[in-house]
Amino acid sequence: AQSVTQLGSHVSVSEGALVLLRCNYSSSVPPYLFWYVQYPNQGLQLLLKYTTGATLVKGINGFEAEFKKSETSFHLTKPSAHMSDAAEYFCAVRNNAGNMLTFGGGTRLMVKP
Amino acid sequence: DGGITQSPKYLFRKEGQNVTLSCEQNLNHDAMYWYRQDPGQGLRLIYYSQIVNDFQKGDIAEGYSVSREKKESFPLTVTSAQKNPTAFYLCASSKFAGEPVYGYTFGSGTRLTVV
Repeated sequence: AQSVTQLGSHVSVSEGALVLLRCNYSSSVPPYLFWYVQYPNQGLQLLLKYTTGATLVKGINGFEAEFKKSETSFHLTKPSAHMSDAAEYFCAVRNNAGNMLTFGGGTRLMVKP
Repeated sequence: DGGITQSPKYLFRKEGQNVTLSCEQNLNHDAMYWYRQDPGQGLRLIYYSQIVNDFQKGDIAEGYSVSREKKESFPLTVTSAQKNPTAFYLCASSKFAGEPVYGYTFGSGTRLTVV
């Protein structure tokens, strides 16, 4: 079965520092991969997605992620953290049947001034 | 603008009471989903529906019920059989039944508290 592992349930960075949120997946079919962001008491918002083509994907708010098949990874990065980036981030992969998404456990990003 | 509307935003339930959470979408999406979110536990799938008048149990369906009489609507009832219903509930939709390539669109959630 497909699965998603997000390393680190909490990540803390200083404002202006690099943001790196890790996501590893397992899938028996070519993966479609997604990153979502959730602000407190709100729903999830799509940050970016990889389906086919270019392995470096750019999303909203300056985030990007790189699909690395050999490492089964889809890590999320942002060169310089902003206070407004503090939120919870979820990685997701489509399931093997192709009809649903499987979500990771989430990573809460804290940004220190 | 198109989107998913969940109501109410906050809901309080007494012991032994059934409550219904509303989820309406005007995106013309085929599939709809209900998730439960607890602190530190990510998203857990309760029920999903790929087509009108059909729905499937997810990982934690016990104590919940749903209906899909209209394409736009997918209400979730939390029954008295659900012993620990306090949580944040999220509704989502996707464009095509059987193909989530575009990802999900989420509502803004309902926070249910047992009093």
